[in-house]
Amino acid sequence: NAGVTQTPKFRVLKTGQSMTLLCAQDMNHEYMYWYRQDPGMGLRLIHYSVGEGTTAKGEVPDGYNVSRLKKQNFLLGLESAAPSQTSVYFCASRQGADTGELFFGEGSRLTVL
Amino acid sequence: AQRVTQPEKLLSVFKGAPVELKCNYSYSGSPELFWYVQYSRQRLQLLLRHISRESIKGFTADLNKGETSFHLKKPFAQEEDSAMYYCALRYSSASKIIFGSGTRLSIRP
Repeated sequence: NAGVTQTPKFRVLKTGQSMTLLCAQDMNHEYMYWYRQDPGMGLRLIHYSVGEGTTAKGEVPDGYNVSRLKKQNFLLGLESAAPSQTSVYFCASRQGADTGELFFGEGSRLTVL
Repeated sequence: AQRVTQPEKLLSVFKGAPVELKCNYSYSGSPELFWYVQYSRQRLQLLLRHISRESIKGFTADLNKGETSFHLKKPFAQEEDSAMYYCALRYSSASKIIFGSGTRLSIRP
């Protein structure tokens, strides 16, 4: 039982390149989230999903897109990476509306040069 | 707008001393508050939530709606408590969960 798995764990991009971060959970959770973690700013919500086929904007959605085509997967895309998107990205999931506990992945460190 | 504020970036105390990590929130509705912890080289994990009113690893936190606070306390700090602590707020029909900027707790021997 892996829980929440993020791939890749590390990536270096050049400005303007695109990439996709994959989050997979094997707990049959309805809700999934993408956060970015930056020093002094804590965790900021990028996008989230309340079920398969749904997505919604969080606090800092600009420059990112997401998709939830399958219940177990939540993809975070950067169409044209910028240095300001250098960060550690965390995916999290939770079971449903009545449960608040988030289960986190290990994080993906992205550097944009 | 909804917000979670953790005013201390770093808190350093001696082993055996009391610890209090501050958390204030802004939300006009009925909030659900959490504390998450990230130990070195481990994943973020839930420490406690206000609705369960339990003590985990000696930590407690009480929701004070009048002061809009949810401070985390422990009477006697241990070295293994050194970690990054995040306060979190759930709102908006139970969908969004936002975090504060975190407090790094360092326990000195």
